[in-house]
Amino acid sequence: DARVTQTPRHKVTEMGQEVTMRCQPILGHNTVFWYRQTMMQGLELLAYFRNRAPLDDSGMPKDRFSAEMPDATLATLKIQPSEPRDSAVYFCASGLGQVYSNQPQHFGDGTRLSIL
Amino acid sequence: KNQVEQSPQSLIILEGKNCTLQCNYTVSPFSNLRWYKQDTGRGPVSLTIMTFSENTKSNGRYTATLDADTKQSSLHITASQLSDSASYICVVSLMNNNAGNMLTFGGGTRLMVKP
Repeated sequence: DARVTQTPRHKVTEMGQEVTMRCQPILGHNTVFWYRQTMMQGLELLAYFRNRAPLDDSGMPKDRFSAEMPDATLATLKIQPSEPRDSAVYFCASGLGQVYSNQPQHFGDGTRLSIL
Repeated sequence: KNQVEQSPQSLIILEGKNCTLQCNYTVSPFSNLRWYKQDTGRGPVSLTIMTFSENTKSNGRYTATLDADTKQSSLHITASQLSDSASYICVVSLMNNNAGNMLTFGGGTRLMVKP
């Protein structure tokens, strides 16, 4: 059963450190999404890629966050420098359609990030 | 402003009983509405996706309905099981208008099924 794989599952680091989260989408999926979930804000779409090209990153704080897709099997989300307010669970999802399409998105189990 | 409101925020039911979760939205122009189930510590899992023209869609014991006129959706769970204990999230997509914020998320309903 194909799954989206995210690493690490948990990350604790100090404020100011660089954080890199990785995602391996399901083979054959051409759209990759990054989400953030907190108790206060719920789920938010940060950015998404189609065929490895960034289509929309309007949900992402540009000054410290960056998302890339160096190849079809790897997507990365980086935070530099990290701040305590970045503490959240970050999810990656992959699918076959754009964000507004009727295709299902398949989520990984997330990276739980704590910034001290 | 595009908003998605879910109710109730939390719900406790006995195993075997049915329940209905509500989702009201103000998103326009509407593309589709999704229901997700999220177990504690896991990523969301897609239950149903409905477009403007669909009134109902089922996935096993889960049945979603959509009234695009009143902008309301419901998720009905039949013969609940302990494994249905989870958060249920409603997400509404905008049509492609080259704008950001194309997804609007509800705050979720936390369901607990007790034996």
